[in-house]
Amino acid sequence: DAGVTQSPTHLIKTRGQQVTLRCSPKSGHDTVSWYQQALGQGPQFIFQYYEEEERQRGNFPDRFSGHQFPNYSSELNVNALLLGDSALYLCASSLEAAGRYGYTFGSGTRLTVV
Amino acid sequence: AQTVTQSQPEMSVQEAETVTLSCTYDTSESDYYLFWYKQPPSRQMILVIRQEAYKQQNATENRFSVNFQKAAKSFSLKISDSQLGDAAMYFCAYRSYGGSQGNLIFGKGTKLSVKP
Repeated sequence: DAGVTQSPTHLIKTRGQQVTLRCSPKSGHDTVSWYQQALGQGPQFIFQYYEEEERQRGNFPDRFSGHQFPNYSSELNVNALLLGDSALYLCASSLEAAGRYGYTFGSGTRLTVV
Repeated sequence: AQTVTQSQPEMSVQEAETVTLSCTYDTSESDYYLFWYKQPPSRQMILVIRQEAYKQQNATENRFSVNFQKAAKSFSLKISDSQLGDAAMYFCAYRSYGGSQGNLIFGKGTKLSVKP
């Protein structure tokens, strides 16, 4: 049973560029959340998608946007990259009806902005 | 807004010994969930144990157990018979009870080292 799959695992971008990160949730899960984890910090919530709509959003600027597809996979887009966007981006999936059981996380995408 | 505080940036334990990681949180809600996640160098967050606030009994999963003190807003993790594979970052996390309030609020983590 495949868990949460994220791609790519690493990438390097230049300031001002745009980036798209991808996430395939665990089989049977319908909710996808994205987190940003800066070096030495705990993950911070970016947003959550359910039924192809953004349901909840953390304190992140509009440069961060996302999408959820009918197969529940999701994308995170970041425009006009800043050096401060360098971080590990984690995707987590869950079943809406069973969110209290926690989330399954992927191994993340390490984004470096130079 | 809810906050989670982990006051121990680093901890060390001898193999086979017991270690306790501390976590406190602040909330005005009466129902919520608490979690401990482990993040090894592979980067994947792995759920260690969870606690529902309305349950008074402390959760236990094999060598891992919690001491949940609701009035004190404290949620510590005890690892018994520590193993080399337990070395990792450990994060305490809070989640509101409501179905639509799905995001996790994490502490800054505690780095656990296990000495052979």
